[in-house]
This record gives sequence, C-alpha cells and structure tokens, in this order.
Amino acid sequence: QKEVEQNSGPLSVPEGAIASLNCTYSDRGSQSFFWYRQYSGKSPELIMSIYSNGDKEDGRFTAQLNKASQYVSLLIRDSQPSDSATYLCAVNRALPFSGGYNKLIFGAGTRLAVHP
Amino acid sequence: SAVISQKPSRDICQRGTSLTIQCQVDSQVTMMFWYRQQPGQSLTLIATANQGSEATYESGFVIDKFPISRPNLTFSTLTVSNMSPEDSSIYLCSVEVTGLTEQYFGPGTRLTVT
Repeated sequence: QKEVEQNSGPLSVPEGAIASLNCTYSDRGSQSFFWYRQYSGKSPELIMSIYSNGDKEDGRFTAQLNKASQYVSLLIRDSQPSDSATYLCAVNRALPFSGGYNKLIFGAGTRLAVHP
Repeated sequence: SAVISQKPSRDICQRGTSLTIQCQVDSQVTMMFWYRQQPGQSLTLIATANQGSEATYESGFVIDKFPISRPNLTFSTLTVSNMSPEDSSIYLCSVEVTGLTEQYFGPGTRLTVT
C-alpha cells in the first residue's frame, strides 16, 4: 500500500463545475496535509494546507480532512480552464532528531482537465 | 512564504560528468530539502539539509552520488555525480519556513543526461 494514494486521472470537468480531488494516506500519525498545484513544466505551488478535521475554505478552494477515515480532499468550485494542472496531495512525516521539523510524502498526483 | 531561486534552470550533460545545482533563499531557514521528479512522476525526497550538520539521505539515495552542502541558513547545493541517462530529471529544492510545516519550492533544475 502506498503511503499517499491519489487517482491519477485525468479528471475531466466542464468549465464552471465543481472538481473533486481525493487522497488517502496510511500513517495515522500524520498531522499536516497539503495540496499543491503543478502546471506542466513548473514547480509545485502550495494552494491549501489543513491540520484539523473538517473543512477549510480559501476562495474557490475547499480542503476537507477526515482523520478517522484517513482521507483528505480538495474541492474546486467554478472550475476554470486555468485550473487545469496536476494536483499533488502531501502529508507530513516527522523528522527524527530535528527539533520538530517534517518531511513531506507526496502522492502521485491527479491530473485535472477543465474544458470550456 | 519564501522566495527561492535555483541555478542552473536547465542543463544538458554528458554521462560520467557531475553537475552542481545551487539553491538560494531570501530568508534564513533551518531546513532545506532536495527532491527529484522523474518524467511523469511525483516528487521523491532525496535528502534533508540542516545547516551545521550532515545531510540526511532517504532510502535509495547515497552521499557519494548526491553530495549536499549547506554552508549557511540561506544556501545549499546538490551535486549529481557520475551521471547516467537515468539521472535525467527535474531537481527541486524546497524550504520549510521556520515555525510552519508548509514547504515552498524553488523553480527547479531540468537535467538531461546524454
């Protein structure tokens, strides 16, 4: 079982629709969860972080976390063609003897295509 | 967040040679990370670089192949040694902003080995 699992897609949605991206993780000790957006040929860009159960909204983006189910999702409302990218889910893993720092474990990413 | 730059942005190298990639941050950070992203793949952590100590390497990566320097709180280098075509990847540095768990990435170095 992979530590962080995502459906590779592509997920195709029409412009204006809600895109729903899902991620599951295996380590119950994970405390921090992140969504990165990566355009083709570019580096990952952090778009959402979530640390507690429930929903967190930022503009058109909503992150949802359910630690009991080990599940985190990203909703993109009113999807635009400019949202077409690969979305990477990442979870933290504590670095031993580091004074509280973490490394990130990334999923394989879900490719989102928003068509006009 | 932090502003991160990398040099070079891309390079084409011959097998058997080495390339050193630089990563510069606009603020002092304790922890820097080096990742590799092979074509069509996700990110794989190579090593963690903490200023003032030896880098910590992930399983499958060794210091002889990927030596890392971290001379101060704003700079790090990753060397890809004795390169083969399998080393063709994008190499990314990232930083964890002190006091937060979030990581921010540099623009990456696209390496092609022929």
